[in-house]
Amino acid sequence: DGGITQSPKYLFRKEGQNVTLSCEQNLNHDAMYWYRQDPGQGLRLIYYSQIVNDFQKGDIAEGYSVSREKKESFPLTVTSAQKNPTAFYLCAVGGETQYFGPGTRLLVL
Amino acid sequence: GENVEQHPSTLSVQEGDSAVIKCTYSDSASNYFPWYKQELGKGPQLIIDIRSNVGEKKDQRIAVTLNKTAKHFSLHITETQPEDSAVYFCAATLRDSNYQLIWGAGTKLIIKP
Repeated sequence: DGGITQSPKYLFRKEGQNVTLSCEQNLNHDAMYWYRQDPGQGLRLIYYSQIVNDFQKGDIAEGYSVSREKKESFPLTVTSAQKNPTAFYLCAVGGETQYFGPGTRLLVL
Repeated sequence: GENVEQHPSTLSVQEGDSAVIKCTYSDSASNYFPWYKQELGKGPQLIIDIRSNVGEKKDQRIAVTLNKTAKHFSLHITETQPEDSAVYFCAATLRDSNYQLIWGAGTKLIIKP
């Protein structure tokens, strides 16, 4: 079964808490991306990684961190420094053509 | 840097009619233009794409046209059906940009029965 999986589907964060969103792929793509989508808005790039052990900041990296220890995995941590984390988070993989996971909706308690 | 503008933000058409969504890009070096469809609560799905060496591409009821001189590209959906209701995003990527996509703001397409 091939594809991109994101977990959890819904995530609740308490004030001051760090939370980690999972993204796993078995499509054997080198490049992976994290996007943030606010209600009724477009996609904004948070971080991207083109190869294991390397990643670059996107347009809105402040308050987020990532790691890329394995080709299959690109987890995103939303830190307490991100003051407005409520959004729909999308992971994508691919080169010129990007393929998206089902997303994680993050809500603040 | 590259900028992509997408119009309209909302489009309402009668079922069976055609729908057209337009995007304009700023950097003439852009060479790849995908279109994505996003249903409520889901991730975007690629529906069609076009490269800068092609003027038009069709796939059943959907087509994309590219005008490099004017730097705009359009999505055409014919014989619209209720399942076409979704948000559509255009994007552009620059040659040698590490495949970073520049996204339009999205168009909410509503198909009226």
